[in-house]
Amino acid sequence: QITLKESGPTLVKPTQTLTLTCTFSGFSLTGSGVAVAWVRQPPGKAPEWLTLHYGDDDKRYSPPLKRRLYVRKDTSKSQVVLTMSDMDPVDTATYYCAHYSTSNDIGFDIWGQGTMVTVSS
Amino acid sequence: HSVVSQPPSASGTPGQRVTISCSGTSSNIGYRFVYWFQQFPGTAPKLVIYRNNQRPSGVPDRFSGSKSGTSASLTISGLRSEDEADYYCAVWDDSLSDWVFGGGTKLTVL
Repeated sequence: QITLKESGPTLVKPTQTLTLTCTFSGFSLTGSGVAVAWVRQPPGKAPEWLTLHYGDDDKRYSPPLKRRLYVRKDTSKSQVVLTMSDMDPVDTATYYCAHYSTSNDIGFDIWGQGTMVTVSS
Repeated sequence: HSVVSQPPSASGTPGQRVTISCSGTSSNIGYRFVYWFQQFPGTAPKLVIYRNNQRPSGVPDRFSGSKSGTSASLTISGLRSEDEADYYCAVWDDSLSDWVFGGGTKLTVL
């Protein structure tokens, strides 16, 4: 059974850097066919894709946010860590990590419960 | 506004069939697979359709997906009260090199 869980601060100040951790189980983040994604969703709005970290260490970033994002994996801990710099109140959102698979092109098939992050001074 | 567009709302009575549309362009829906997610308030999105028309295990066969040209649709047959939720389409956009989500459709079961 695949599970993912996000953790990190619930409140950050403007201009600070946000660091979120996705701890997963039930799969191995190895090879090019599996990845962990980060997706955020501002209150009352649609989800917005942020990053994909593949098991072969390939990384993809949403172009509008690329300069502010960095993602890395810690295989020994089954974790993927997202950092987002220069936080602004418009970045207030629920941040989700999700299992992503290219097998049968199933995509974002399993999601974590999400963690709400508020950006405010 | 979203690169792919959905109607903001849809409704139906129990037992009816409801269709939610997702309109895009040749750089996204026209050549890429479409995905559909169901989301209840305060919970994470749940994948209900992948690869245009495939259901993940555990998703009732009342849910079906289709695609034609640059538009896609999610159809829910035999509507039930528990289907009341927000529904989002998602697709990769080749021009943007970005995953794009529709603005979402709030489905109300009357």
